This record gives sequence, structure tokens and C-alpha cells, in this order.
Amino acid sequence: DAKTTQPTSMDCAEGRAANLPCNHSTISGNEYVYWYRQIHSQGPQYIIHGLKNNETNEMASLIITEDRKSSTLILPHATLRDTAVYYCIVRVAAGGTSYGKLTFGQGTILTVHP
Amino acid sequence: GAGVSQSPRYKVAKRGQDVALRCDPISGHVSLFWYQQALGQGPEFLTYFQNEAQLDKSGLPSDRFFAERPEGSVSTLKIQRTQQEDSAVYLCASSPLWGETQYFGPGTRLLVL
Repeated sequence: DAKTTQPTSMDCAEGRAANLPCNHSTISGNEYVYWYRQIHSQGPQYIIHGLKNNETNEMASLIITEDRKSSTLILPHATLRDTAVYYCIVRVAAGGTSYGKLTFGQGTILTVHP
Repeated sequence: GAGVSQSPRYKVAKRGQDVALRCDPISGHVSLFWYQQALGQGPEFLTYFQNEAQLDKSGLPSDRFFAERPEGSVSTLKIQRTQQEDSAVYLCASSPLWGETQYFGPGTRLLVL
């Protein structure tokens, strides 16, 4: 699976949009971009994923550049409860031999402050 | 619906003890993964089951680690003769089918003294 690069930490004011970047310059055509987050002392929580089109759900939006070498997770109106470690993960689509296992990096520590 | 559950949530073991950690996946999920998360690190893959078959155990750190899923539902991760370096959070995840989105449980925090 391709490697990802994320900033170590970011701050965001409550109520503002949080934009979390991720670089994945070696991504292959059959690899998805997944985002998970982990709130302190909890298991990782699935947020969103995409292949090449932008995606939106009730939690967030995912913007993937046309060359697919980077992406941005957008939390449109951050709250204090969004403070967590956010992981950007590249994972091969079904049909590969990795069984879909996730390779986590260090992630971005997002702190939302009042 | 019910998510992935794990028990116990916390376990303290003396060095050399055997421990067993349980995972109840989401009902009907075919795929089950175990991950290990050391303090301050991201989770790392341990092993993967498709139904009752263990298809990948490449991440198990030593032969003291053993996992099973005999009926294709509940899974148990067993660690024999625990060592201090085994202290970590053990996470279980399940997905409906191979390659689909994984949903994680809350983890079991193991402390070996």
C-alpha cells in the first residue's frame, strides 16, 4: 500500500472548517484513500473514503486532487468533540492480496479550541 | 445496530501469565482483523480472518501470539507467557466482506507488569 504523509498537528477554532491535508504521491490506480479518526481511549472511527471523485457524507467531505497524489479531509463546522488523531490511509481495493488490512501512520493530532 | 465489542476492556497481567482477549464482530461480517497499538503509535496489523480461516498472520510478533475464530464469528487473541513489551491496546475490526470498510471495536488495554 502507498505511504501517506500528514502534518503532525493542527489547530482549529470551534465552528470553523477544519481542513486536514494528506500526501500520497505513490498511490496506485486501484488504491482508495480512507480516513479514520481516533478519539482518546477509543477505537478508530471510520469517517469517509474515496477513489478519485470527491465524496461527502454526514461527517465530512473528502477532496481528492485530479492526479490523486493528495487529498484533504474537511470537517465543515468543527466542534470540541472533533478533537482527535486523524489518520489518512491508502488501501488497495478488493481484488488485491492485502486482504484490505490498514497501514496506519502517525496521523494528525487535530485540536479544536473554543 | 450493535457495533464491534471487545472484552475485557482492561487487563492487567503479571509477566509470564497467559491472557485471552475476545472480539465480537458485527453480526454477519465475514472479515475480522486484529491490530496492536503501542502508546503514542498508530495501530499495526496482526492477523486477518475470513470466516473461520486465518488467511494472514504475518503481523503476529512472536509464536506466543495465537488467534482463532472457530465458528467464523467470535474471535479470541491469546498471548502466552506475557512480556512487558506486550503492553498495548489490542483492537479488533470487522468488515462485511473482504476489502470493504472496517469498523473497529473499543479495544482491550493490556498492561503487563
